[in-house]
Amino acid sequence: QVQLQESGPGLVKPSQTLSLTCTVSGGSISSGSYYWSWIRQPAGKGLEWIGRIYTSGSTNYNPSLKSRVTISIDTSKNQFSLKLTSVTAADTAVYYCARDYEITMLRGVMYWFDPWGQGTLVTVSS
Amino acid sequence: DIQMTQSPSSLSASVGDRVTITCRASQSISSYLNWYQQKPGKAPKLLIYVASSLQSGVPSRFSGSGSGTDFTLTISSLQPEDFATYYCQQSYSTPWTFGQGTKVEFK
Repeated sequence: QVQLQESGPGLVKPSQTLSLTCTVSGGSISSGSYYWSWIRQPAGKGLEWIGRIYTSGSTNYNPSLKSRVTISIDTSKNQFSLKLTSVTAADTAVYYCARDYEITMLRGVMYWFDPWGQGTLVTVSS
Repeated sequence: DIQMTQSPSSLSASVGDRVTITCRASQSISSYLNWYQQKPGKAPKLLIYVASSLQSGVPSRFSGSGSGTDFTLTISSLQPEDFATYYCQQSYSTPWTFGQGTKVEFK
């Protein structure tokens, strides 16, 4: 059973770069047709999709964050990573990694998030 | 971006009640709609995918329906462990977007 675990600094100073890693266990990050996503949630608020990466390295980003986001993958370590530059207090949130499960059905290619990591709180503060 | 709007934002219900949550998309998304349950301090958990397919291990009291722009999540008989926040999410086109959430509270 695939499991995901986020790791990285819990405190980042304003204007600096937020860096997080998601480690995949219980299966190879390269097996199957999967994208791997980052999602965040400010305290008491809803969910925002940040972006995703395919095992080939192909990426999709949320246009609202695209200029500041880089997602990369290291298949040898079974990890993928998030970098968010020039952070402000508005970037304070719980950050989740998740598998962007893909399946081809008659009606098209369907995606959903499963499983998720437990989440890690990142606070932007001086 | 496709906007997802849930209603209500919160509701109060009792154990055994039938609960219905609505999600509306700003454009047609066919059946590209998923539902998640989130409990405090926990990651969201997939309940329903492709509008009406029940994720393995999820109790059958949960069901989903709809297509196009209007979708519903129904809990046929609310159980104590169902008090949580529920989110819909579209996977029709990136950026993937979520509804604002519906908090189901104890009456």
